[in-house]
Amino acid sequence: QSALTQPRSVSGSPGQSVAISCTGTSGDIGRYKYVSWYQQYPGKAPKLMIYDVSERPSGVPDRFSGSKSGNTASLTISGLQAEDEADYYCYSFAGNCVVFGEGTKLTVL
Amino acid sequence: QVQLVESGGGVVQPGGSLRLSCAASGFTVATSGMHWVRQAPGKGLEWVSFVSWTQNQEYYADSVKGRFTVSRDSSRNALYLQMNSLRPEDTAVYYCAKDRANTWAGDYWGQGILVTVSP
Repeated sequence: QSALTQPRSVSGSPGQSVAISCTGTSGDIGRYKYVSWYQQYPGKAPKLMIYDVSERPSGVPDRFSGSKSGNTASLTISGLQAEDEADYYCYSFAGNCVVFGEGTKLTVL
Repeated sequence: QVQLVESGGGVVQPGGSLRLSCAASGFTVATSGMHWVRQAPGKGLEWVSFVSWTQNQEYYADSVKGRFTVSRDSSRNALYLQMNSLRPEDTAVYYCAKDRANTWAGDYWGQGILVTVSP
């Protein structure tokens, strides 16, 4: 149950696009469609942003999109806004358990 | 409106036990998959446990397997996490979350409850 690998931090200016990668293995991301992404502000509960690799729950802006290729999933945020500054975690089903990514801090410059 | 409220946290000595509760409203716990996730102070999220609504299967992280047990009470519409043989590394904020229709994704989360394991 090793954690998925994410960059520790990414940054971008308002209006730009950023992508956060999440690398797993053929036993988790590479095998299953159950990949999701969460946004978390300090001291708050996580919020689901993407599920099933690329599906958005209602209420999540379409600026947020997800994709997967092989053992790597990605979250892309386009048209960056100040309120997007938060921690982002990927998450994948792995057969008989779930693994989270290490988390990525997004800074909006 | 879906709402989850955790309770039962606190300070416990190493080797001790604690039972967390997660009171649900706006949906039925008995017919939903439910997760427990924790976050140690200043650290990332760690998945702890999942109970499915089909076949009532239980899944646990290796770090808690054999020590933690998840259960639910249909009459109270609540989820529980029985934590035994607690260790200092179990210190964390614990969240319960409702699974989004068997996607293994938590779409609604509680506010979290702090568990501190310390002598």
